[in-house]
Amino acid sequence: DTGVSQDPRHKITKRGQNVTFRCDPISEHNRLYWYRQTLGQGPEFLTYFQNEAQLEKSRLLSDRFSAERPKGSFSTLEIQRTEQGDSAMYLCASSLAPGAEAFFGQGTRLTVV
Amino acid sequence: GQQVMQIPQYQHVQEGEDFTTYCNSSTTLSNIQWYKQRPGGHPVFLIQLVKSGEVKKQKRLTFQFGEAKKNSSLHITATQTTDVGTYFCAGRTGYSTLTFGKGTMLLVSP
Repeated sequence: DTGVSQDPRHKITKRGQNVTFRCDPISEHNRLYWYRQTLGQGPEFLTYFQNEAQLEKSRLLSDRFSAERPKGSFSTLEIQRTEQGDSAMYLCASSLAPGAEAFFGQGTRLTVV
Repeated sequence: GQQVMQIPQYQHVQEGEDFTTYCNSSTTLSNIQWYKQRPGGHPVFLIQLVKSGEVKKQKRLTFQFGEAKKNSSLHITATQTTDVGTYFCAGRTGYSTLTFGKGTMLLVSP
């Protein structure tokens, strides 16, 4: 499978715990995006990378959220001290170039209890 | 900040009827993309429009980009049950990231 893959697909965690998600983009894509989607809403931008450089973060992104793409390949998104409001689908996408179509992964569904 | 609005939020049609969803941006866009998300699935790219007044067709789907590059529409002719899903527009200004609308959920009854 040469698409965008995300792991895990589902995560249930207790409030206050830290969680980390992984995204493996399509191999030749240098742009990688993280989005969050809640029920009935469109994907909400969180952050994006060009290669290993994090170029933009949403102003809505709490300090509890951090993302890395250490070698310009896979990326991780960590949420510290999770809150119930963090429950959502976290989507990763990659693209070949600025303005190109984005290919989304299946997402990681986070439930904070 | 940039806002992208879609109407309607939801539409239920009988198979064979036409369907249209509209997308409006608060700012002029450099391009607009359309995505489809099936229930339980992830967004899948449909098309990108770049030029003012551009019209593109994919079989029964017709996409338009307004002359002012602030609005767009997706029209489906003779809907089929396989068209069920949520259709999102996503706009971009310059090299900024995509801003998605809330989507239009389409339900098609046989």
